[in-house]
Amino acid sequence: DTGVSQNPRHKITKRGQNVTFRCDPISEHNRLYWYRQTLGQGPEFLTYFQNEAQLEKSRLLSDRFSAERPKGSFSTLEIQRTEQGDSAMYLCASSLGHASTQYFGPGTRLTVL
Amino acid sequence: KNEVEQSPQNLTAQEGEFITINCSYSVGISALHWLQQHPGGGIVSLFMLSSGKKKHGRLIATINIQEKHSSLHITASHPRDSAVYICAVRPTGTASKLTFGTGTRLQVTL
Repeated sequence: DTGVSQNPRHKITKRGQNVTFRCDPISEHNRLYWYRQTLGQGPEFLTYFQNEAQLEKSRLLSDRFSAERPKGSFSTLEIQRTEQGDSAMYLCASSLGHASTQYFGPGTRLTVL
Repeated sequence: KNEVEQSPQNLTAQEGEFITINCSYSVGISALHWLQQHPGGGIVSLFMLSSGKKKHGRLIATINIQEKHSSLHITASHPRDSAVYICAVRPTGTASKLTFGTGTRLQVTL
């Protein structure tokens, strides 16, 4: 247990539905990252926050994806109108500062039918 | 071509063997990470390197910045070392986002 938690751990949804995932980072960590990992591949960067500010978004993050970190603590990642290609493991990580080790949560596995 | 390449993709070893996993990258970096991922998804950070060598227990990580190459060594391997090992780099000028390799799947048998 790294201290980063994610919920739910698994989500199965039908194409076209909206889903929301939550990440609770280590409490004193000011940086929070979202990554996506498909089967057999390494994770890919989606977005990151410093406190409540979203500082960078990947080109992978289409308009259907939105992430928030309203009070600089937990974060949510929402996917609207899910597509089968969204099926992946969504990983959250947190760190204390930009040059520090990132601690990963267990991930949320999304399956879009 | 991926910015981070790992070799081998798959590796099977017998318990006790010395294991080496390689990582090459094509961009300037401020740090390189070695991560371990067990079945089910959980990722654990093993090392963060910007130069030289680090050791933790049976694990050793080295980096050669000039050659853009890093290695992860496992001495006296054990079945519990079976996992996917992922190399990730923090490219210079990109704040803190990481670029990952595709991982090396290690299976250590008795």
